[in-house]
Amino acid sequence: DAGVTQSPTHLIKTRGQQVTLRCSPKSGHDTVSWYQQALGQGPQFIFQYYEEEERQRGNFPDRFSGHQFPNYSSELNVNALLLGDSALYLCASSDRPISYEQYFGPGTRLTVT
Amino acid sequence: GEDVEQSLFLSVREGDSSVINCTYTDSSSTYLYWYKQEPGAGLQLLTYIFSNMDMKQDQRLTVLLNKKDKHLSLRIADTQTGDSAIYFCAESYGFQKLVFGTGTRLLVSP
Repeated sequence: DAGVTQSPTHLIKTRGQQVTLRCSPKSGHDTVSWYQQALGQGPQFIFQYYEEEERQRGNFPDRFSGHQFPNYSSELNVNALLLGDSALYLCASSDRPISYEQYFGPGTRLTVT
Repeated sequence: GEDVEQSLFLSVREGDSSVINCTYTDSSSTYLYWYKQEPGAGLQLLTYIFSNMDMKQDQRLTVLLNKKDKHLSLRIADTQTGDSAIYFCAESYGFQKLVFGTGTRLLVSP
C-alpha cells in the first residue's frame, strides 16, 4: 500500500519564477492538505483540498494556489517566488475532511536563489 | 489564538525514559497529536489523543493531557538511539488544519 508520494524531491528556482509541486495521496484517501516547513520551524498550514475544491486556507498570500484532480492527486503552485519561500513543502492526506488521522509525504525541498 | 510551544532540546541516555512537553492555547482543540520527523524526512504520525481523554498508552508511548493547564506530554519508555529525531506537538482546528509547535529535538546517546 503506497503512502503519500511527492515530486520532485528537490527543486532550485530563481526569485520571480513560478513552481509547481505534486502530491499523490495514500490509497483510499480523498483529502489533501499542504504545509510549508521553514528551516528550524514546525509546519504551517497552507490549504486543504477536498472534492476538487479548496476547503480551508491558512495565512498565505494568493501567490500560493492549488488544484485537486479527479484522482485526488494535488498540485501546489507558487508564483513570483521570494527568497522566503525556500522551505520543505509537505503534503498530507486523509480519508475525509473530518478525519483525525493525517499522513504526510516526504516533502519537496524548494530552494529559491 | 493559535500557539503551540515546546522546549527545543532534550538529551537522554539509551534505556532511560524521555518526556517531551508541549503547551497549547486553544481549549477548543479537538485532537492533539505527536509527530516524529527524522532528518530529511516527512512527518510520521506517532499517536494522538482526543481532547476529552486524560491519557493514552500505545506500546512504549504514553500521552498525558491536562486540559486545565493546556499541557500535553509524550513519554517514551526505554528510549533507543533510533528514537533520536524531532518531535512535534500539534493541535487540530476546524476540519483538519493542524497547528504545530516548533519541535523538540531528542538526542539519545548510547
